[in-house]
Amino acid sequence: GAVVSQHPSRVICKSGTSVKIECRSLDFQATTMFWYRQFPKQSLMLMATSNEGSKATYEQGVEKDKFLINHASLTLSTLTVTSAHPEDSSFYICSARGGQGAAYEQYFGPGTRLTVT
Amino acid sequence: GQNIDQPTEMTATEGAIVQINCTYQTSGFNGLFWYQQHAGEAPTFLSYNVLDGLEEKGRFSSFLSRSKGYSYLLLKELQMKDSASYLCAVKWDYKLSFGAGTTVTVRA
Repeated sequence: GAVVSQHPSRVICKSGTSVKIECRSLDFQATTMFWYRQFPKQSLMLMATSNEGSKATYEQGVEKDKFLINHASLTLSTLTVTSAHPEDSSFYICSARGGQGAAYEQYFGPGTRLTVT
Repeated sequence: GQNIDQPTEMTATEGAIVQINCTYQTSGFNGLFWYQQHAGEAPTFLSYNVLDGLEEKGRFSSFLSRSKGYSYLLLKELQMKDSASYLCAVKWDYKLSFGAGTTVTVRA
């Protein structure tokens, strides 16, 4: 149990275009989902936290108009990178909390490798 | 800000023991996690400490001292598949703050 999926696993897009990444909790209802970004050899950095049906809370320095987060249901959250630039190339990972797991547990998705050319 | 420090790299021999230290200074504290992450993959949960002391789980053990802002992850009987990055993360409020990770290389 407690499986989180992400789609796509890899995406290449051209500079200036937008790309959407989906995060799904497959066998539990995720009351909260988190979006992280990880640059090579660096730590996971929390970008934003989303609760189902409410607006996402963004971390300092993360542009909410550039990284659009939607958490429309208890099993799906999406991250849209708008007007992508090469510096947005990174590994994006979502995690979800909820279900039968302990309150402290976050279950991570497999990540999405975004390359902007 | 949140400050979580761990060594960048460690190398050990198959069958040996390795200890990865983590020190932290954070705005709050609701527990400390250790995750394993293979290259290009998501982190997988290894351990969670919220009270001082040692938690043992098979070949992996984790220790916490809240007064010292210190934790370690102990990997015993190292196997080649243990070659990975190990992330220390502190939970404060509802968030996780991660260290940069320690890359462990296991040699035959």
